Amino acid sequence: DAGVIQSPRHEVTEMGQEVTLRCKPISGHNSLFWYRQTMMRGLELLIYFNNNVPIDDSGMPEDRFSAKMPNASFSTLKIQPSEPRDSAVYFCASNRGWEKLFFGSGTQLSVL
Amino acid sequence: RKEVEQDPGPFNVPEGATVAFNCTYSNSASQSFFWYRQDCRKEPKLLMSVYSSGNEDGRFTAQLNRASQYISLLIRDSKLSDSATYLCVVNRRGGADGLTFGKGTHLIIQP
Repeated sequence: DAGVIQSPRHEVTEMGQEVTLRCKPISGHNSLFWYRQTMMRGLELLIYFNNNVPIDDSGMPEDRFSAKMPNASFSTLKIQPSEPRDSAVYFCASNRGWEKLFFGSGTQLSVL
Repeated sequence: RKEVEQDPGPFNVPEGATVAFNCTYSNSASQSFFWYRQDCRKEPKLLMSVYSSGNEDGRFTAQLNRASQYISLLIRDSKLSDSATYLCVVNRRGGADGLTFGKGTHLIIQP
């Protein structure tokens, strides 16, 4: 059974460019989460969806960040324009109901 | 006070030794507690839940002290493969959206 799938694994871009991160949750999971991990701040929840609907986006740092979930099997996190301080590892995770959280392998983002 | 605090380490421990580390949390209303393990450049994975009465899973023992608001993880007979970062996770409400992750304790098991 495939786990949470994220792409790309690595992204290097220049400041000002648009970045799109992608996530496919585990089939049958109805909640999807986007996290960001840095050395300074650890793992932070950016936004989460339940049944494809954004429930809490209070963790999204600013308007440059947006996330969508057009269907149960796909979500995107977009940063436009990107800045060097956005450099981090971005994880997508999913679960069903109150079951444990499964993380994807993450996207290592470097903004130069 | 931070919501979840951990000693970042690193803890350097010889193979076969017993190691323990704690985590403190600030929200007394927190409902559930977990330890996650994260290997270098990998995603976090659930190691074990932490129950009020304490619980054991093989060489791993987790305990919760609600009065002092801390949880602990004890690893017996440590193996080289135990080297990782251990994240303390506290849920301030029921769903997974309520999870708050500590920054982790880095453990290095030395041969």
